[in-house]
Amino acid sequence: GGIITQTPKFLIGQEGQKLTLKCQQNFNHDTMYWYRQDSGKGLRLIYYSITENDLQKGDLSEGYDASREKKSSFSLTVTSAQKNEMAVFLCASSPWTGEVTEVFFGKGTRLTVV
Amino acid sequence: QQKVQQSPESLIVPEGAMTSLNCTFSDSASQYFAWYRQHSGKAPKALMSIFSNGEKEEGRFTIHLNKASLHFSLHIRDSQPSDSALYLCAVGTGGYKVVFGSGTRLLVSP
Repeated sequence: GGIITQTPKFLIGQEGQKLTLKCQQNFNHDTMYWYRQDSGKGLRLIYYSITENDLQKGDLSEGYDASREKKSSFSLTVTSAQKNEMAVFLCASSPWTGEVTEVFFGKGTRLTVV
Repeated sequence: QQKVQQSPESLIVPEGAMTSLNCTFSDSASQYFAWYRQHSGKAPKALMSIFSNGEKEEGRFTIHLNKASLHFSLHIRDSQPSDSALYLCAVGTGGYKVVFGSGTRLLVSP
């Protein structure tokens, strides 16, 4: 088994601030993802990466940057936090066996912008 | 751009009833179809998946896929209060990209 660790668990930022969320996995999975979840709703894909140094935009990439410098880590930057923004950011990973088989999630970073 | 939509948005069923959740997708080349369950305050966790047309049963849960109709569903037999959660359908396209739906909130009343 493995685990996905997201830091910090809670993040409070100010409007216009640049904020970075970090994610580490010890599954040795190739693919990693960042999703945003608003208030108990569905997940929206922000960025994903199929290997070290690779980045692919999801449907919600505007306003975010991402970085995959090592196979085990994937970070997400909110380039300019929006006032009253509240969401949970979920990091995930998946093994590659020729096709997706399962996506494993971390516990999330809860962002509040004041 | 893959569109994944779920219905209904929310559902209340009595304990012991059959629950049916639906998911439609837009990309006919999609290859991975799955249901995830998220209990309140927890991370989503995979429930079951299917890759080809037809049905797959695991315990009280059945997943049904019809690629021609761009539709798959999850059926829960003998629903239990512990099944109360947010259910997310997921569709994989192009090998790596996995897109989730907007979720169905299920409440099973005792």
